[in-house]
Amino acid sequence: AQSVTQLGSHVSVSEGALVLLRCNYSSSVPPYLFWYVQYPNQGLQLLLKYTTGATLVKGINGFEAEFKKSETSFHLTKPSAHMSDAAEYFCAVTNNNAGNMLTFGGGTRLMVKP
Amino acid sequence: DAMVIQNPRYQVTQFGKPVTLSCSQTLNHNVMYWYQQKSSQAPKLLFHYYDKDFNNEADTPDNFQSRRPNTSFCFLDIRSPGLGDTAMYLCATSSGRGREEGYTFGSGTRLTVV
Repeated sequence: AQSVTQLGSHVSVSEGALVLLRCNYSSSVPPYLFWYVQYPNQGLQLLLKYTTGATLVKGINGFEAEFKKSETSFHLTKPSAHMSDAAEYFCAVTNNNAGNMLTFGGGTRLMVKP
Repeated sequence: DAMVIQNPRYQVTQFGKPVTLSCSQTLNHNVMYWYQQKSSQAPKLLFHYYDKDFNNEADTPDNFQSRRPNTSFCFLDIRSPGLGDTAMYLCATSSGRGREEGYTFGSGTRLTVV
């Protein structure tokens, strides 16, 4: 079984401040982890992913995330928030077991204040 | 550019009137998925096709059906829409089971049942 928990359904930061969106997962086998971003009335766009190898992964728009096995976490960060980062962010997990679909967390709405 | 295209972007239908949503892809991916996303919630998988093999999620209502006439196209049919079916419907694709690559999403169809 696998699941994803995103702590904080809403996060508000000031423009230029650090963005930290939290994601914890559970998986009985090594996970593949993803962050997606969704702008209003749009589909989901892949920001970054971790499958194997380097645990710090960089994605688009200046975002990065670090896979920490000991903490079962995959938190998303960005050093300096921009107004255009305001969106809904979803963490998702799958693994190499046959039949395991992508499981999403509940999402975090990021608001950026001027 | 290779992509996933959903039509229409917005659809309004009357209570009980059948409606069909369309998805096409130029990625030549084996797997196509349909998700339902209600306001401020994570996407919920309805069903998926692995090539021609149809896989229904256990809790998907019978009111929802799907067709995949060829690799490129997949349709979502809602036989008798209820007010509770108002949602964003997302189509996604992946190659194989897409565990390492993640899924590619379309822009979604926002369905309103009145």
